[in-house]
Amino acid sequence: SQQGEEDPQALSIQEGENATMNCSYKTSINNLQWYRQNSGRGLVHLILIRSNEREKHSGRLRVTLDTSKKSSSLLITASRAADTASYFCATAGNTGGFKTIFGAGTRLFVKA
Amino acid sequence: EPEVTQTPSHQVTQMGQEVILRCVPISNHLYFYWYRQILGQKVEFLVSFYNNEISEKSEIFDDQFSVERPDGSNFTLKIRSTKLEDSAMYFCASSASGDGNQPQHFGDGTRLSIL
Repeated sequence: SQQGEEDPQALSIQEGENATMNCSYKTSINNLQWYRQNSGRGLVHLILIRSNEREKHSGRLRVTLDTSKKSSSLLITASRAADTASYFCATAGNTGGFKTIFGAGTRLFVKA
Repeated sequence: EPEVTQTPSHQVTQMGQEVILRCVPISNHLYFYWYRQILGQKVEFLVSFYNNEISEKSEIFDDQFSVERPDGSNFTLKIRSTKLEDSAMYFCASSASGDGNQPQHFGDGTRLSIL
């Protein structure tokens, strides 16, 4: 089984709509991060939520974390065509070793 | 804003040959990582590096792989005898801390094609 599984795998919406992506994980974590990847580029950090936090906002992004369900969601409000990208959740465990596990990602397509 | 840079952007190598992928992390970062992404698939952790030694490695990072920080700025990934299945994007990342409480900054990757 994989740490950090996102759903849906792909999401297509109209510009102006909200996009919600979900992530589930399996082991204890220190925090959970969301990254974005434009096609052919490296990952860009979006937001980090610590294990003792339940919700965090950054601009049009809203992240929630439910450690009892081992799940997180990323909401992008008022989406734009430029938000078209893949979005990954990533978890850092509390076992040491600095290992970060990425999920399979959600491919978001925002139609203008 | 400081960036992680990777060279080359694309490397084509014959199977069985050695390849070295290079990365210049952000200068005041202390933790370094390599990841692999096969086309269309997830980003897979390979190895983390801190204080001039490997902190953790995945099962992918077998004896064919090695990492090195040969000087104060470069961080390299070497694959000794490449296989077809090593074809992928390889991403380098660095962070100020290793507990995941600081974001990792990624380079744009090296596309490795094994023929």
